[in-house]
Amino acid sequence: AQKVTQAQTEISVVEKEDVTLDCVYETRDTTYYLFWYKQPPSGELVFLIRRNSFDEQNEISGRYSWNFQKSTSSFNFTITASQVVDSAVYFCALSELDDYKLSFGAGTTVTVRA
Amino acid sequence: DAMVIQNPRYQVTQFGKPVTLSCSQTLNHNVMYWYQQKSSQAPKLLFHYYDKDFNNEADTPDNFQSRRPNTSFCFLDIRSPGLGDAAMYLCATSRERGANVLTFGAGSRLTVL
Repeated sequence: AQKVTQAQTEISVVEKEDVTLDCVYETRDTTYYLFWYKQPPSGELVFLIRRNSFDEQNEISGRYSWNFQKSTSSFNFTITASQVVDSAVYFCALSELDDYKLSFGAGTTVTVRA
Repeated sequence: DAMVIQNPRYQVTQFGKPVTLSCSQTLNHNVMYWYQQKSSQAPKLLFHYYDKDFNNEADTPDNFQSRRPNTSFCFLDIRSPGLGDAAMYLCATSRERGANVLTFGAGSRLTVL
């Protein structure tokens, strides 16, 4: 069963637009961790954020913000005032406490046009 | 400062000709992972080492093997590459298992002719 669903395959925006990436997860564990990684065209996955299941506070880091809602099992990611350098594939991932594996979603390709 | 280094970045091989990809890390992390990522797909875990303890995923083909001679290095051996093995191979490390942040290398892209 797929544990992480990223329903949006591709999103294309014009520079300075905001873009929100959806992530819905599924787990029976009460303790788990959610992640977002960015994969630019160069190929290297870059860690963006980790959030544990007990911390539902939203987080903002510069132009990036994350909205964690346990009630809807969602962990959405918003890029404010997008820039061309934000063009990448973004992966949402889940790690359950007793599992060493990261379950990745299928990824969302974001293209920011100048 | 590159912390997880993969070589080569690009590898072209012929059908059935063995290939070895390497990964080195300067982080002194206990865990090293190998992921396979095919075009437009999520990374798929092949196996990982926790220190010297090798852990194979149940669905990883026997064609794929790994070696970790020391803390810093890990190798991925593909004994007889098929066309379906063409992919990006990503090495990652983490301090411990279980919900740890992974640090990825830039990947090795394998082409099979």
